Amino acid sequence: DSGVTQTPKHLITATGQRVTLRCSPRSGDLSVYWYQQSLDQGLQFLIQYYNGEERAKGNILERFSAQQFPDLHSELNLSSLELGDSALYFCASSMRTSGVGTGELFFGEGSRLTVL
Amino acid sequence: DQQVKQNSPSLSVQEGRISILNCDYTNSMFDYFLWYKKYPAEGPTFLISISSIKDKNEDGRFTVFLNKSAKHLSLHIVPSQPGDSAVYFCAAEDIQGAQKLVFGQGTRLTINP
Repeated sequence: DSGVTQTPKHLITATGQRVTLRCSPRSGDLSVYWYQQSLDQGLQFLIQYYNGEERAKGNILERFSAQQFPDLHSELNLSSLELGDSALYFCASSMRTSGVGTGELFFGEGSRLTVL
Repeated sequence: DQQVKQNSPSLSVQEGRISILNCDYTNSMFDYFLWYKKYPAEGPTFLISISSIKDKNEDGRFTVFLNKSAKHLSLHIVPSQPGDSAVYFCAAEDIQGAQKLVFGQGTRLTINP
């Protein structure tokens, strides 16, 4: 158990819909990262938050957005969903206090999104 | 642009033998490298890392080798055990820059009894 909690574990929805994925980081971790893993692909970095502020952006679509709340949990919002958005979405947290760099990440079990 | 590449999608090794997983990178600014292991229905878990100032790091059965001039790293598992069967991801980071952890596509390792 990594200590990172993601909900829901599975989600099936239709094209055009909007979903929210939730992540609770490990206790004490200030950084939260979101990654997307499509079929047979590596983990693609989407976005990072550090102590409530956006710290870095990767290949995140404009239809996607995220935020980190004062209690440090984070939500990834995916809207106007397309078939190609079907993927595993991982949240990870880090114990780095500066927010710079990544080092070892602790991953949740992922949220599997299926868009029909 | 795939900055971290694992060119072998799968690898099959007999139990007790050595498993060697390879990873190549293109960004010369990467200065920290990690290997993650992933079982089905679980998130990736950290396995071992190496800083660019070293060329080898060992932890039990796992050793990571870094060849900076070739921009290549490898993970050696010896002896291989059935529980090592998993997908292994190589990852790299430019710690001083804003670049985040970049992952390879993964290699599925199967250890045969």
